[in-house]
Amino acid sequence: EPEVTQTPSHQVTQMGQEVILRCVPISNHLYFYWYRQILGQKVEFLVSFYNNEISEKSEIFDDQFSVERPDGSNFTLKIRSTKLEDSAMYFCASSVGQGETDTQYFGPGTRLTVL
Amino acid sequence: AQKITQTQPGMFVQEKEAVTLDCTYDTSDPSYGLFWYKQPSSGEMIFLIYQGSYDQQNATEGRYSLNFQKARKSANLVISASQLGDSAMYFCAMREGLTGGGNKLTFGTGTQLKVEL
Repeated sequence: EPEVTQTPSHQVTQMGQEVILRCVPISNHLYFYWYRQILGQKVEFLVSFYNNEISEKSEIFDDQFSVERPDGSNFTLKIRSTKLEDSAMYFCASSVGQGETDTQYFGPGTRLTVL
Repeated sequence: AQKITQTQPGMFVQEKEAVTLDCTYDTSDPSYGLFWYKQPSSGEMIFLIYQGSYDQQNATEGRYSLNFQKARKSANLVISASQLGDSAMYFCAMREGLTGGGNKLTFGTGTQLKVEL
């Protein structure tokens, strides 16, 4: 069964460093998303992406964040200058369509630790 | 107001028993989808079941069923014949239609389920 994959599973970085989290969405899906979950808290939406551009973003997704689809399979989230409060689990998700009936399938997550 | 409310931070159930996890939602959009995800201790988010606002029947998926009461704005997850492997955090989520801002899933705070022998 096709699945969303994410690398790395765990990333440790120093405050102020740039990190790139990578995702490979399900191959026939057209919509891609990033969510984050701070430890012990609920999952929060960051950004959605379609047709090589951001379709929606939350207030969390400020100028230090960016997303890119550098090739036909990968979808990346870059955090330019990490802060302690960026420590969280970051989930990539994908869906076939953008309607309210379209299920978003999540990857296993990347746990980001900022020291 | 919270869009998704899960009032049970923790639940216990005996193995082989059924358990209901509560979820209420708030939206003015006539078209929306409700989803349940399971998050085991390993951290991944596993899709379990979906209910559309226009669906006439309650969704079922193996041992999972959704008790959808539209007028009460509730979408409770029922797990039948609980197994030890069902121990996990369970999240209810909603995706509103285009009038409600479309793309994103809005999650509740989750219910931690522990299945006991």
